[in-house]
Amino acid sequence: GAGVSQSPRYKVAKRGQDVALRCDPISGHVSLFWYQQALGQGPEFLTYFQNEAQLDKSGLPSDRFFAERPEGSVSTLKIQRTQQEDSAVYLCASSLEGQGDTEAFFGQGTRLTVV
Amino acid sequence: AQTVTQSQPEMSVQEAETVTLSCTYDTSESDYYLFWYKQPPSRQMILVIRQEAYKQQNATENRFSVNFQKAAKSFSLKISDSQLGDAAMYFCAYDGQNFVFGPGTRLSVLP
Repeated sequence: GAGVSQSPRYKVAKRGQDVALRCDPISGHVSLFWYQQALGQGPEFLTYFQNEAQLDKSGLPSDRFFAERPEGSVSTLKIQRTQQEDSAVYLCASSLEGQGDTEAFFGQGTRLTVV
Repeated sequence: AQTVTQSQPEMSVQEAETVTLSCTYDTSESDYYLFWYKQPPSRQMILVIRQEAYKQQNATENRFSVNFQKAAKSFSLKISDSQLGDAAMYFCAYDGQNFVFGPGTRLSVLP
């Protein structure tokens, strides 16, 4: 595709509900990143994939958060038993290789509101 | 752990004037990359400019340039001839062992 695509753009979930956020990276991009951006703050790193391998998940805030990229392309960020503090924009980015070497392209994010 | 600080939560500039956004970072690494990203209300992060730490020459991209002071761990962004479309959140970011964003500076451009 032309850019990184994320869906849905907006998601309202009731507390305790499970949600799944999708990221379609640019075709051929090896690296994929997930970030969480709370209102008025900078993005915070969640996890990083190189192809289908999840090389770093140190930023996932709890075991309720789970990310996968089974075929090295589309990635899904799943949040189980959502809580109000999970409300944020979730950004996905992809790059041809490692982020420093090549430009990372970001999607428009999914705004999650937990009520 | 690396940290990125942007000490100016908000800045404003008159159209056609020049503005400088500050960024400092803390790291013990010698090899890393630095970035400035722009985030308009659409939320899409757009890369403005990048700098490799091993390069002494400051990066320039049209109206955008940086002042990279490696010893001082400073990486400021200068926007020349500011345009209304430059209004956005600007994030400084560090990429080394970890990728870290600063808290952002909201830039307003006054007509």
